[in-house]
Amino acid sequence: DQQVKQNSPSLSVQEGRISILNCDYTNSMFDYFLWYKKYPAEGPTFLISISSIKDKNEDGRFTVFLNKSAKHLSLHIVPSQPGDSAVYFCAASVGDSSYKLIFGSGTRLLVRP
Amino acid sequence: SQTIHQWPATLVQPVGSPLSLECTVEGTSNPNLYWYRQAAGRGLQLLFYSVGIGQISSEVPQNLSASRPQDRQFILSSKKLLLSDSGFYLCAWSLAGGIGTQYFGPGTRLLVL
Repeated sequence: DQQVKQNSPSLSVQEGRISILNCDYTNSMFDYFLWYKKYPAEGPTFLISISSIKDKNEDGRFTVFLNKSAKHLSLHIVPSQPGDSAVYFCAASVGDSSYKLIFGSGTRLLVRP
Repeated sequence: SQTIHQWPATLVQPVGSPLSLECTVEGTSNPNLYWYRQAAGRGLQLLFYSVGIGQISSEVPQNLSASRPQDRQFILSSKKLLLSDSGFYLCAWSLAGGIGTQYFGPGTRLLVL
C-alpha cells in the first residue's frame, strides 16, 4: 500500500516557466512533509519542508503548498532553470517516535532551454 | 557543519559473497541514522534505522543486517548476497528526537552478478 504517491513519473517544462510537481498521501496522521531533489548516482538533496500546521512554505524559487483536506501537496518552481532537471521525491512522516520518512516514487523533471 | 560519508561508491560482487557498506557522519552527536535502498526506477525504501549505539530497527525482512558500533558509524552487511540485493544504497542522518529532515550521503551502487 503506497501511502505517498507521485502519479506523474515525468514532467517537461520550458525554461523560465513554472514547474508544478504533485504528491498525494493517504495517511491522515502525516504531519510533516518534505521535498528532495536527486541527480543520477547521487544522494537526494533536501529542498524544502512544510509542517501540517501551515499551508504554504516558500524558499526562493521553491514553494510548497499543502492541502490537508485533499491530502495533497505540490512543489512549485518559478522560474524553472535547466539545472532544476532532476528527479523530485516527496516524503512524509508522522510526528511521533517512528523516525520514518515515507517516500513517493519520484517525478523526473526536465527543464528545456 | 555536518557531513556524511559513504563508501565504496560502486561495488560489483558475485552472488553468495559477503557485503559491508560503511557510513559515517561528522559534525553532530547522537544522530538518528538510516539505510535506504533505491531499486532501478523506484522510490526510496527504508531498510534500517538507529537511534543510538547498538540500537537497530529493521523495516523489511531481507537478506541484510545493520550495525552501529559507534555513535556516528552505521554499517550495512550481508553474509551472502542475492541478485535481488542489487541497487543504490543510501545512508542518511537526522537530528535526534524523531521528526525532522533527513540528510543523505552520496550513495553506493551495488551490482550483484
